[in-house]
Amino acid sequence: DAGVIQSPRHEVTEMGQEVTLRCKLISGHNSLFWYRQTMMRGLELLIYFNNNVPIDDSGMPEDRFSAKMPNASFSTLKIQPSEPRDSAVYFCASSRGTVGEKLFFGSGTQLSVL
Amino acid sequence: SQQGEEDPQALSIQEGENATMNCSYKTSINNLQWYRQNSGRGLVHLILIRSNEREKHSGRLRVTLDTSKKSSSLLITASRAADTASYFCATDAWGAQKLVFGQGTRLTINP
Repeated sequence: DAGVIQSPRHEVTEMGQEVTLRCKLISGHNSLFWYRQTMMRGLELLIYFNNNVPIDDSGMPEDRFSAKMPNASFSTLKIQPSEPRDSAVYFCASSRGTVGEKLFFGSGTQLSVL
Repeated sequence: SQQGEEDPQALSIQEGENATMNCSYKTSINNLQWYRQNSGRGLVHLILIRSNEREKHSGRLRVTLDTSKKSSSLLITASRAADTASYFCATDAWGAQKLVFGQGTRLTINP
């Protein structure tokens, strides 16, 4: 089992550019979570999908953020346009069930917006 | 918010000693989980304890849960240098539909 795979590992971009982060879930998992981690705010849940359907997107900061799950094994998180305050480590995590099950995290994408 | 709060924020001990970290939360929960994060890596699940459980063990890890005090503790016995990491508690509150993480405890094991 390859685990949750995120790409890219690092992303450096300029303010105003579009950023797309990618995540491949573990086979057989049906829940997908996007988290953002910063020193100031810790780990914040951005959005949660179950069976490809967004269940809770209340953590998505602004309309500049969007997330999709085009199929059961893949998700993208897009920021357009990016701003320096979006700089953070973005993690996706998957689980077999719903919220109460243990999460399997990817290695994260370190995003720096200059 | 439901976010758990870990205590202490940082802990430094000698190899071989026991490390205890605490987590407090605000509202009723379904379960509480502990995760470890090594520097530059994703979080790794350690243990899950349900609201009707009081204690759980996994290897050198011992987790307790006191729902009356809304608190949990993680004990790592006979610590090793490889245990150096940040440790987070995460709570699944009733009806919240989300797993909320605390700010974490940064544990350093000195050889």
